[in-house]
Amino acid sequence: GENVEQHPSTLSVQEGDSAVIKCTYSDSASNYFPWYKQELGKRPQLIIDIRSNVGEKKDQRIAVTLNKTAKHFSLHITETQPEDSAVYFCAASKNYGQNFVFGPGTRLSVLP
Amino acid sequence: DAGVIQSPRHEVTEMGQEVTLRCKPISGHDYLFWYRQTMMRGLELLIYFNNNVPIDDSGMPEDRFSAKMPNASFSTLKIQPSEPRDSAVYFCASSSSPFPQPLFGSGTRLTVV
Repeated sequence: GENVEQHPSTLSVQEGDSAVIKCTYSDSASNYFPWYKQELGKRPQLIIDIRSNVGEKKDQRIAVTLNKTAKHFSLHITETQPEDSAVYFCAASKNYGQNFVFGPGTRLSVLP
Repeated sequence: DAGVIQSPRHEVTEMGQEVTLRCKPISGHDYLFWYRQTMMRGLELLIYFNNNVPIDDSGMPEDRFSAKMPNASFSTLKIQPSEPRDSAVYFCASSSSPFPQPLFGSGTRLTVV
């Protein structure tokens, strides 16, 4: 089955700096990769996603890149703000959305 | 739309008792997912339904766990008998073809003592 790894497990950055979180997946048939943000005590919320026919997608300060050959994808957050502090999860699925497998999460702390 | 609605928000029960968690998906969504979140194991998919039919229950940890979806607007996850190691946050999520991203409910924090 699919296995998703995520690095780093914790990440601290200064406000205004960039943050990068990387994920790798094992199943070459996976074709949909969402990213979720979970604040303490809250539900995971989708922040951006990418499909396998796209190499990069950007939404304001957030971007995701996908390398299908290497089977890895990354989340980039620019100009980080304290409200970006949360746990971020990557996920992978086949068939565009069935049976998601989540990575273990990255705890991002943005220091003022 | 109020989003995915889960109840109760918190549940504390004694070991051996039956626990029932409830979920109302977003109206019109045809996929419903049950996830469990713990510090040790992260977010795990337990089971998911498509059009009220269970599609993959390979994540259900053991026979003590069961899930039903009697209609498009309601699902339950039952644990009988409950054990302390079942303590976790249980999330229900739903999605709609062709937009695959699950939208999560607020979760039920289960504590089994």
